[in-house]
Amino acid sequence: AQSVAQPEDQVNVAEGNPLTVKCTYSVSGNPYLFWYVQYPNRGLQFLLKYITGDNLVKGSYGFEAEFNKSQTSFHLKKPSALVSDSALYFCAVRESDGNNRLAFGKGNQVVVIP
Amino acid sequence: DGGITQSPKYLFRKEGQNVTLSCEQNLNHDAMYWYRQDPGQGLRLIYYSQIVNDFQKGDIAEGYSVSREKKESFPLTVTSAQKNPTAFYLCASSIIQGLNSPLHFGNGTRLTVT
Repeated sequence: AQSVAQPEDQVNVAEGNPLTVKCTYSVSGNPYLFWYVQYPNRGLQFLLKYITGDNLVKGSYGFEAEFNKSQTSFHLKKPSALVSDSALYFCAVRESDGNNRLAFGKGNQVVVIP
Repeated sequence: DGGITQSPKYLFRKEGQNVTLSCEQNLNHDAMYWYRQDPGQGLRLIYYSQIVNDFQKGDIAEGYSVSREKKESFPLTVTSAQKNPTAFYLCASSIIQGLNSPLHFGNGTRLTVT
């Protein structure tokens, strides 16, 4: 079964500095990878996805993610963090075995310090 | 606007009572999902449905039940058999055959059982 690991509980970054949220995955077939963001007491919002093709994926709100097959990673990045980026970030993977299920990581709390 | 509506936003129940959480979508999506979110544990799949009148157990189905009588609706019942029902519950939907399709989430229902 597919799984995702988000090794850090919390990521602190100063406003204006680069932001990276780490994610590694495990699948037996081709991975379909997603990043979501969650603000307090709200549902998850889709940020970006990797299906195939370019390893650098661009998404919403200036976020991007880099797919690395050899390291089985899909780290989320933003060149210059904003205070409004403070939220909970989830990485997720769907395996290409047809069951259409999505496995989520435990989430990373991002705190952007003014 | 198309989307997913979960109601109520907050729900309080006494231990031993069954409670039903509502989820309605007007996105014309075939697949619908229920996740449970607990602090530091990410999202865990309770039940999912890929077509009307059919549904499958997720990873933590014990103590929960669902129905899918209409494409638009996927209510979740938390029964008295669920040992630790207090949590944030998220409903989601997606295109059935879309491995690269992201899930769309509602804004959740926070259930507190005392």
